[in-house]
Amino acid sequence: QVQLVQSGAEVKKPGASVKVSCKASGYTFTGHSMHWVRQAPGQGLEWIGWINPNSGGADYAQKFQGRVTLTRDTSISTVYMELSRLRSDDTAVYYCAKSQGQWNGHAFDIWGQGALVTVSS
Amino acid sequence: SYVLTQPPSMSVAPGQTARITCGGDVIGSKSVHWYQQKPGQAPVLVVYDDVKRPSGIPERFSGSTSRNTATLIINRVELGDEADYYCQVWDSESDHLWVFGGGTKLTVL
Repeated sequence: QVQLVQSGAEVKKPGASVKVSCKASGYTFTGHSMHWVRQAPGQGLEWIGWINPNSGGADYAQKFQGRVTLTRDTSISTVYMELSRLRSDDTAVYYCAKSQGQWNGHAFDIWGQGALVTVSS
Repeated sequence: SYVLTQPPSMSVAPGQTARITCGGDVIGSKSVHWYQQKPGQAPVLVVYDDVKRPSGIPERFSGSTSRNTATLIINRVELGDEADYYCQVWDSESDHLWVFGGGTKLTVL
């Protein structure tokens, strides 16, 4: 079955970086774009960015420009999200989500289980 | 940037119909997607492209749109439908590109 499995919870200090992985299975990895969404405790969903696993091209919400990098490794059907210069308000659950299509505009039909990133001194 | 407005909460009795609204400027010209999120779980797509239902989602879930409002409709509400619901659109002119509504907590009395 189609599924996304993310890496585990992380605890980081302010100013550090975190890299979260998302391994896809059950579908053609390069045929669907992948998105990252986060959810702070008790808050709503916030879109971070997306990557086209076929080309490797990525785009980010303006809020995260310069701090986030999305990459992929097609050999193991895995995408990565790296967030740098962490602050306490980056504490959140980070989700990867598969798009129904390769390009933008399609809904996110499969989500990873989420990875809690806690930023604390 | 583009803003989607949802009521923070609503309640409905079992067996009744829930209508969760999502307001946005000329939202009727965009494709609206809806997600259900239960506590401690990842979101699940329940309606996409305004009115379509993914496989495995009960027919009780449907969507509609008008010029400035999209609506998720849940017929014959069950206790298991209690969750947070989020609307979403893609706005190519927004600095966030993908925009979510603030979410509506549906309580089944």
